[in-house]
Amino acid sequence: GAVVSQHPSWVICKSGTSVKIECRSLDFQATTMFWYRQFPKQSLMLMATSNEGSKATYEQGVEKDKFLINHASLTLSTLTVTSAHPEDSSFYICSARGGPLFSPTGEQYFGPGTRLTVT
Amino acid sequence: TQLLEQSPQFLSIQEGENLTVYCNSSSVFSSLQWYRQEPGEGPVLLVTVVTGGEVKKLKRLTFQFGDARKDSSLHITAAQPGDTGLYLCAGRRRDDKIIFGKGTRLHILP
Repeated sequence: GAVVSQHPSWVICKSGTSVKIECRSLDFQATTMFWYRQFPKQSLMLMATSNEGSKATYEQGVEKDKFLINHASLTLSTLTVTSAHPEDSSFYICSARGGPLFSPTGEQYFGPGTRLTVT
Repeated sequence: TQLLEQSPQFLSIQEGENLTVYCNSSSVFSSLQWYRQEPGEGPVLLVTVVTGGEVKKLKRLTFQFGDARKDSSLHITAAQPGDTGLYLCAGRRRDDKIIFGKGTRLHILP
């Protein structure tokens, strides 16, 4: 199956700093990537969708100026948490889909996640 | 807003017993997926069901998609300790994005 990687797998940063998380599709071209956030004991919440070469679309309630998403190539998307605060501490998971959106063959594959702790 | 309700949220049973986890919504989804997630890892896809009434089997796991494509169930026969984990159902919305239910945390006692 397709492989999606994330880097780093965990990161600790101080309040007020910014953190960048990378998501890569290793053996397929991902026209669309998704970013999810998961708090302890809870399910995954979709934050935003990014398409290669265009601006990301954010779910309701997600601050686009705080969570900057860049999808510069067909294999790489980045999420930057700007001016991080302790309440941003969470498990961030990316997902990549090959083929165009609305494609019946567009299976979605998930990365291993990045645990962010803001002190 | 399309929501997915999963039940039960927690389930602890003895090895060898059978169990069913339910995923319900008032909305229609074009497809529904079941994932399993281990602590500290991303979810791993178990199955995708697309057609109303569809039934898929994966060894001791049986997945069913409701006729109206609003609900699904996961049935495990003769549960094993290795089945312990978080099971998530997820539906593909009208805008083709996948949203998740809250999950069922399953614990199989040896």
